[in-house]
Amino acid sequence: IAGITQAPTSQILAAGRRMTLRCTQDMRHNAMYWYRQDLGLGLRLIHYSNTAGTTGKGEVPDGYSVSRANTDDFPLTLASAVPSQTSVYFCASSVRGRTNEQFFGPGTRLTVL
Amino acid sequence: QQQVKQSPQSLIVQKGGIPIINCAYENTAFDYFPWYQQFPGKGPALLIAIRPDVSEKKEGRFTISFNKSAKQFSLHIMDSQPGDSATYFCAASRSMETSGSRLTFGEGTQLTVNP
Repeated sequence: IAGITQAPTSQILAAGRRMTLRCTQDMRHNAMYWYRQDLGLGLRLIHYSNTAGTTGKGEVPDGYSVSRANTDDFPLTLASAVPSQTSVYFCASSVRGRTNEQFFGPGTRLTVL
Repeated sequence: QQQVKQSPQSLIVQKGGIPIINCAYENTAFDYFPWYQQFPGKGPALLIAIRPDVSEKKEGRFTISFNKSAKQFSLHIMDSQPGDSATYFCAASRSMETSGSRLTFGEGTQLTVNP
């Protein structure tokens, strides 16, 4: 593969359940990001990681957690899903310090009932 | 608080027309302004970007116009084609920010180019 993969492609989840969205990149990018996309609101940053072992909060972090154990993987966890977390989630990566271009994965469509 | 405001929310043009999408930002520390293109079911992809040291940048049929004093920038698509139908997002970031290249996105514009 070349780029970013996300799994699952889509998921329907009962409220209160725990869910982890997976993101893997093979470009050796040091920075990674999670966004949610909602109609009329654009893309909003949830969490980011500048390099393996570090993470930071974005614009809408509540209800989400992330980890960055290595360069390639950046999972996003919803500890107890709520209907307002119904959204399309995108993972992205970039080479920090060289360019601001971010490369996006294909997205995960999540529905919380 | 939306730091980057984008308009219009949707836009319909005929083939060959010149759609224009506008964005305004608040943070004067922003120094990188990209436009992303997103097709249905896909992730956004970088289309074109500009830094504030120039007022215009062209790449093929796509042009960014930048007005630093007004804190506004816009995307123009020359000779638009049905294949340009997509959602377009403007964004802004501070390239020297310690937190990397975090982008603040506009709300998005759904463009339809009719044949």
